[in-house]
Amino acid sequence: QKEVEQNSGPLSVPEGAIASLNCTYSDRGSQSFFWYRQYSGKSPELIMSIYSNGDKEDGRFTAQLNKASQYVSLLIRDSQPSDSATYLCAVNVVTGGFKTIFGAGTRLFVKA
Amino acid sequence: DAGVIQSPRHEVTEMGQEVTLRCKPISGHDYLFWYRQTMMRGLELLIYFNNNVPIDDSGMPEDRFSAKMPNASFSTLKIQPSEPRDSAVYFCASSPDRRDEAFFGQGTRLTVV
Repeated sequence: QKEVEQNSGPLSVPEGAIASLNCTYSDRGSQSFFWYRQYSGKSPELIMSIYSNGDKEDGRFTAQLNKASQYVSLLIRDSQPSDSATYLCAVNVVTGGFKTIFGAGTRLFVKA
Repeated sequence: DAGVIQSPRHEVTEMGQEVTLRCKPISGHDYLFWYRQTMMRGLELLIYFNNNVPIDDSGMPEDRFSAKMPNASFSTLKIQPSEPRDSAVYFCASSPDRRDEAFFGQGTRLTVV
């Protein structure tokens, strides 16, 4: 089992719709969770960080964390064509030593 | 701060040559990470440092890869000898604390022919 798993997509949504991205992780001791956005040919940039169970909202973005079920999700409301990118889920795993592990990423296309 | 600075941005080299990638982390960040990204394997952690000390190098693929951090403001990733399968984008990232996000440099696109 991979440490951090994401559906590779592509996920295609119409402009103005809600995009839902999901991620599961295997290390139950993980404490920090991140969503990064990566445009083609660019470096990853942080969208959201979440540390506690529940929802965290920032503008059009909402991160959701459920440690009991070991999943993290990212909702993008009112999706825009500029949101088209690859979204990477990252988890700070602690078992075997601290390190940040990235999922393979989900490609999102927002159609105008 | 200018962010994490990597050089060179692009490197094309012949198989068998030595390649050195360079990174300057954000000042005050205690953690430095080297990642490699390919289409097939995604973003892989190669090695990370805490306060200039290598902590986990389990992601370094082979002995041909080595990394150093001689001081808080500079790190290198060296491949010797390079092979075509080393072609990838190599990212350096830094973080102020183990719980915090990582800030990425712009990456070095390495092509070994």
